[in-house]
Amino acid sequence: DTGVSQDPRHKITKRGQNVTFRCDPISEHNRLYWYRQTLGQGPEFLTYFQNEAQLEKSRLLSDRFSAERPKGSFSTLEIQRTEQGDSAMYLCASSLGVGGGRNEQFFGPGTRLTVL
Amino acid sequence: GNSVTQMEGPVTLSEEAFLTINCTYTATGYPSLFWYVQYPGEGLQLLLKATKADDKGSNKGFEATYRKETTSFHLEKGSVQVSDSAVYFCALRYTGFQKLVFGTGTRLLVSP
Repeated sequence: DTGVSQDPRHKITKRGQNVTFRCDPISEHNRLYWYRQTLGQGPEFLTYFQNEAQLEKSRLLSDRFSAERPKGSFSTLEIQRTEQGDSAMYLCASSLGVGGGRNEQFFGPGTRLTVL
Repeated sequence: GNSVTQMEGPVTLSEEAFLTINCTYTATGYPSLFWYVQYPGEGLQLLLKATKADDKGSNKGFEATYRKETTSFHLEKGSVQVSDSAVYFCALRYTGFQKLVFGTGTRLLVSP
């Protein structure tokens, strides 16, 4: 069990550029979640997948944001035309599945995005 | 809407002091409640949880009791250590829903 990994750990970009982040969940975890955390705040839910299906999206996820999990394993989060307000830590989590303790979400270290 | 309110930090304590971090929630129904901890430079880790009223979650000397009557889930530890210095997040999740709703976090600083 190597844990949830995220890449890159840090990203600095200029306003208007597109960025893409990757998340690799714990193997065999069929649920994958994206959260965003701004300075001094708790994480806020963005979206989640069960296998390759995106089942819930927060209204925080504007049209500039898109997430995919094409084969039900790793996931990508793309932000188009970045804005300074997108600067945040983007967290990925995964969980095994339904029922009891299988719902525990394990978090990755996050990708810190800075938009200049 | 559903929300979680935590006491503001930082909470500064000396080693071996008693810790309480307050957490209250606003929600309809009966959510599951969690405490997560974030050590410096690391990802969020689940510390403890409780899934129904009067349940007590415990781990690593930390405890929290799900109090439906006061809609609270306060985190306590009898004797803190320097290694407990971290940011603590209270969170809730509704049965049947997947997203966690977090509070703003409380930073704990423990000095020797």
